[in-house]
Amino acid sequence: EVQLVESGGGLVQPGGSLRLSCAASGFSFSTYRMNWVRQAPGRGLEWISYISSGNHVLYSDSVKGRFTISRDNARNSLFLQMNSLRAEDTALYYCARRYGDSNSGRYFDLWGRGTLVTVSS
Amino acid sequence: DIRMTQSPSTLSASVGDTVTVTCRASQSIGTLLAWYQQKPGKAPNLLIYEASTLESGVPSRFSGTGSGTEFTLTISTLQPDDFATYYCQQYNSFWTFGQGTKVENK
Repeated sequence: EVQLVESGGGLVQPGGSLRLSCAASGFSFSTYRMNWVRQAPGRGLEWISYISSGNHVLYSDSVKGRFTISRDNARNSLFLQMNSLRAEDTALYYCARRYGDSNSGRYFDLWGRGTLVTVSS
Repeated sequence: DIRMTQSPSTLSASVGDTVTVTCRASQSIGTLLAWYQQKPGKAPNLLIYEASTLESGVPSRFSGTGSGTEFTLTISTLQPDDFATYYCQQYNSFWTFGQGTKVENK
């Protein structure tokens, strides 16, 4: 089955760190560009990070300098290292697959079910 | 940054209605726009990409139009399964989403 499964969420104090994982299965993970998208409780969707198949990375301004995206193609896994966490980082974090390489294929065609991160003292 | 503005924020409709959601981009994005459906507790599901191309498996009652800065999602003959929140997403420059439109049962 083609799927993405996130894990690693939990409760963390402000200023703390957390590492999220996303396990991919059913497709050739190494050839796809991947993203992290988050959704604060009751709010909309916010793209936060991207990694290409060649490890080129991008971040939104809201997480730049605090979060690090990475991947391990041998383990079919995507990661998000989150440091210096703030209350406003509280959200459901999704990993999402970018459909294709061309500009016209930059949308997200496969999403995981998300992992919840709560930043609170 | 490209900002995406959806309207309305909430739409009340009945089964069988035709509903339209509008999405406006703060600058031209060509047709690099996608629409997603999200139900409570679930991940977003891709409906339409390139503004008007229906994703495989998506019912034909969903349609999308537009280019440049103005886009619409239309659901013809609304079905019970269609009550959900809908998001537009531009992918011309990085990725940004609209704030969402909740389609609720009148």
